Amino acid sequence: EAQVTQNPRYLITVTGKKLTVTCSQNMNHEYMSWYRQDPGLGLRQIYYSMNVEVTDKGDVPEGYKVSRKEKRNFPLILESPSPNQTSLYFCASSWRSENSPLHFGNGTRLTVT
Amino acid sequence: GNSVTQMEGPVTLSEEAFLTINCTYTATGYPSLFWYVQYPGEGLQLLLKATKADDKGSNKGFEATYRKETTSFHLEKGSVQVSDSAVYFCALSSGGGADGLTFGKGTHLIIQP
Repeated sequence: EAQVTQNPRYLITVTGKKLTVTCSQNMNHEYMSWYRQDPGLGLRQIYYSMNVEVTDKGDVPEGYKVSRKEKRNFPLILESPSPNQTSLYFCASSWRSENSPLHFGNGTRLTVT
Repeated sequence: GNSVTQMEGPVTLSEEAFLTINCTYTATGYPSLFWYVQYPGEGLQLLLKATKADDKGSNKGFEATYRKETTSFHLEKGSVQVSDSAVYFCALSSGGGADGLTFGKGTHLIIQP
């Protein structure tokens, strides 16, 4: 089954404790992206990657890192999480085409205390 | 720059009512337009799309027509069901790959039996 898999689904952590949210897709998509979803703000793009070893900042990259060492994986790294990074995070992937729809994971709800 | 404006809601309707969720956009060039749906606890999934002016996208009884003259892509359904309760996102892609995807803030739809 074609899917985007994120882990974990829920994560509670403390300020400053490094964490990684994993994302994997099995559709051989070139493009992958991370979004955060907050009430009243909709979806905001954090980082995206057009292919292996190619990553670019989205609208809200501060406090986040990503890597794309393999085509299928695109982990999101928070080196020193802060409470304002409490949010619902989504990974997505697609072909590199204007008309290609995004395939989303089921989300990771992160709480930073 | 590109932007998408949609009513945020919540929009509350009774079962079998007619639904319209308005979406207007600002973009350079000739964007592709999308509606995504997010059911509770899940990621976004593509509902329908239209890639050029006057195209009509349709799926699961939902329809939206790409209106270039009014820069709109309103979502409609003739008779909604309780299972249609979800958050609906209008989005556009203006070229340059999937990194050009711009989302509206989402409309929360609640259907009461």
